[in-house]
Amino acid sequence: QQQVKQSPQSLIVQKGGIPIINCAYENTAFDYFPWYQQFPGKGPALLIAIRPDVSEKKEGRFTISFNKSAKQFSLHIMDSQPGDSATYFCAASKPAGNKLTFGGGTRVLVKP
Amino acid sequence: DGGITQSPKYLFRKEGQNVTLSCEQNLNHDAMYWYRQDPGQGLRLIYYSQIVNDFQKGDIAEGYSVSREKKESFPLTVTSAQKNPTAFYLCASSPWDRRTEAFFGQGTRLTVV
Repeated sequence: QQQVKQSPQSLIVQKGGIPIINCAYENTAFDYFPWYQQFPGKGPALLIAIRPDVSEKKEGRFTISFNKSAKQFSLHIMDSQPGDSATYFCAASKPAGNKLTFGGGTRVLVKP
Repeated sequence: DGGITQSPKYLFRKEGQNVTLSCEQNLNHDAMYWYRQDPGQGLRLIYYSQIVNDFQKGDIAEGYSVSREKKESFPLTVTSAQKNPTAFYLCASSPWDRRTEAFFGQGTRLTVV
């Protein structure tokens, strides 16, 4: 059972465009929602995270939007650059949780 | 430099052989994790350990074994019982007070030949 569903699987945008990646979760006990960025052949790195008490969080060009009632959250990459080309994973965990449940990943390609 | 070191980066194994993947961290993190990554399936948890000499099965533990004899080290053995071991394996660690903020190693790509 996939508890965190991520879409789309891949995305191509032109430089300056805004790729949007969506995630939906089933378990209402989840209360921490991070996004990880992974470059080919490397391990994922924490990019940005949100908790359900806020509806939006921005860090640089990356923004998370959170809709608690719909059990959905999304990542927007503003003014995307070719260097943002990577695979992005959403994840979720429970309160006092000790493990993350990951989505399936989205491969983003930003064309120059 | 603090971080997580996985070795080797590439590993080839013959069918029927056990193989051990190394993971060492010098971040003084209490928790350590092993994930398996396959295309289109995200990261799936194999095993995790919160403290030394204790570990729990994750979602896909069959065919794998681990040990946690030292805080810094969490080796993963892929046994011959694992039916489809070819994958990218990722080790991660996290501090006790932020257990879901995982820091990942660079991964080991295992290929069965």
